[in-house]
Amino acid sequence: GAVVSQHPSWVICKSGTSVKIECRSLDFQATTMFWYRQFPKQSLMLMATSNEGSKATYEQGVEKDKFLINHASLTLSTLTVTSAHPEDSSFYICRGANYGYTFGSGTRLTVV
Amino acid sequence: GENVEQHPSTLSVQEGDSAVIKCTYSDSASNYFPWYKQELGKGPQLIIDIRSNVGEKKDQRIAVTLNKTAKHFSLHITETQPEDSAVYFCAASKGGGSNYKLTFGKGTLLTVNP
Repeated sequence: GAVVSQHPSWVICKSGTSVKIECRSLDFQATTMFWYRQFPKQSLMLMATSNEGSKATYEQGVEKDKFLINHASLTLSTLTVTSAHPEDSSFYICRGANYGYTFGSGTRLTVV
Repeated sequence: GENVEQHPSTLSVQEGDSAVIKCTYSDSASNYFPWYKQELGKGPQLIIDIRSNVGEKKDQRIAVTLNKTAKHFSLHITETQPEDSAVYFCAASKGGGSNYKLTFGKGTLLTVNP
């Protein structure tokens, strides 16, 4: 149980385009979803906390307009990287709350 | 805010030996301490956790100890196997529930040599 499905697993996009990453809780309802960013050989840095039906809470230094989070249902949270640039290239991971501490499998974003 | 220090950053052991990874935390209000294993290109996987009302927890070859007074906790892996090779992260959280934020250590790259 407590599976979080994250898609896509990897994506390459051109600079200036937007990319959407989805996280679905398959067998539980996640009223809260955490979004992390991880650079190579580094730890996980919390970007934002999304709450179903309300605005996300962003960590200090994270641009709200660049990293759009939507949590429209109890089973789906999305992160959209808008106007992506090469410095946004990273590994993005979600974590579902409400049942254990299950992480998604991560999305490797490469902006060229 | 909470600060979690993790040591060592890299650890190399021979198959069959034990491995110990240590973490310290700064916020005495933290009461939940999970450990994660992350393989290359994958999301972290919870391997064991401990709450502040417990001093030690064991699950087969893996054990975690917690010293609340000293604010440190450790991961012990016995009889290591090559498949234990991965990056391990400790974390700390207040509240103890899954809705709470986790503060992570910087990770330990464990290499188990056959």
